[in-house]
Amino acid sequence: TQLLEQSPQFLSIQEGENLTVYCNSSSVFSSLQWYRQEPGEGPVLLVTVVTGGEVKKLKRLTFQFGDARKDSSLHITAAQPGDTGLYLCAGAGDSNYQLIWGAGTKLIIKP
Amino acid sequence: NAGVTQTPKFQVLKTGQSMTLQCAQDMNHNSMYWYRQDPGMGLRLIYYSASEGTTDKGEVPNGYNVSRLNKREFSLRLESAAPSQTSVYFCASSRQGNIQYFGAGTRLSVL
Repeated sequence: TQLLEQSPQFLSIQEGENLTVYCNSSSVFSSLQWYRQEPGEGPVLLVTVVTGGEVKKLKRLTFQFGDARKDSSLHITAAQPGDTGLYLCAGAGDSNYQLIWGAGTKLIIKP
Repeated sequence: NAGVTQTPKFQVLKTGQSMTLQCAQDMNHNSMYWYRQDPGMGLRLIYYSASEGTTDKGEVPNGYNVSRLNKREFSLRLESAAPSQTSVYFCASSRQGNIQYFGAGTRLSVL
């Protein structure tokens, strides 16, 4: 059974601080996706990483896929209150149709 | 720009009642999914439909049934609701590459 462990589960920091969220597994994934979910809404895709070692940047957000394609991280620089939300990672594994989901990191950025 | 539309947005049921959650997508996607989201547990797949005419069980199918009515619509039915089915239900669709697009969710309480 493929599992994805996300850490931390909850993070509350001040505006302007940096943070990193981790997504780890013992399984290899063909790709890994990061989603952000705001209260009362469904998750929305932020980025997909496919190649081991790949780094993608989305403004102040930096996503990295591990060299062995078993883990990923999301780093936010100078966090803003608008970054508040639930961040979910999801890995594409053995099935063409099913994603393996992490439990999520609830992020609160205080002004 | 409707994307994935879920109805209803909120529902309260008594134990033993039945109901159907509706989902429709206008992106011409082949695959559709039903998830439930509970605090601290991320998204758990209930059923999915890889293409029109097919449905398969996910991680937590017990107590649910689905119908892929046509390419656009995928419904989820609770035949005899139980308090353990209190959750937020999300429908999603995808074309390829496992990237999934989500509806806004149905918040269900079973008393």
